[in-house]
Amino acid sequence: KNEVEQSPQNLTAQEGEFITINCSYSVGISALHWLQQHPGGGIVSLFMLSSGKKKHGRLIATINIQEKHSSLHITASHPRDSAVYICAVSGVDTDKLIFGTGTRLQVFP
Amino acid sequence: DTGVSQDPRHKITKRGQNVTFRCDPISEHNRLYWYRQTLGQGPEFLTYFQNEAQLEKSRLLSDRFSAERPKGSFSTLEIQRTEQGDSAMYLCASSSTGTTRQFFGPGTRLTVL
Repeated sequence: KNEVEQSPQNLTAQEGEFITINCSYSVGISALHWLQQHPGGGIVSLFMLSSGKKKHGRLIATINIQEKHSSLHITASHPRDSAVYICAVSGVDTDKLIFGTGTRLQVFP
Repeated sequence: DTGVSQDPRHKITKRGQNVTFRCDPISEHNRLYWYRQTLGQGPEFLTYFQNEAQLEKSRLLSDRFSAERPKGSFSTLEIQRTEQGDSAMYLCASSSTGTTRQFFGPGTRLTVL
């Protein structure tokens, strides 16, 4: 079992839909990261959180430390949101990231 | 632009050849990380440096792989005697002490024929 699990692996949506991507982890963490990867490889950090909830524009990230679970929500999805969204955790004693396998999101107009 | 840069962006090589990749981190960042990503998978940790010291290496980093950060600034990752299984995207990231947020470079895509 991977230390970081994401679901779903693939997601298609119509423009305007509300989207949720889930992440569960099985190790102790200092922080959880949500990252976005576009075709070609570039990875951008969206959120880093260790408790509660963060919001940036149409993106919302939440984390439940007791349940070892996080969600990434996209409100009013748009075709430009199409990308791979990756959940990653940084451990208690190390800053290296442990990644999930990613969720490929396609938003159609 | 003062982001993380990697060179080359693409490398095609024949099996058995040696390759070297370079990463230039954000200038004020003292931590530098190397990750490898194969198609359809999330990145996997290879190694990381704090200044010039290599603090951690993954079991994935076989004897054919070596990484250096001689002056605590740029880093190189060398793969000797490349194998087809080495084909992947090699990602570099950097961060500062005190935060786990990492900034990623565009990656170097390696294809071993």
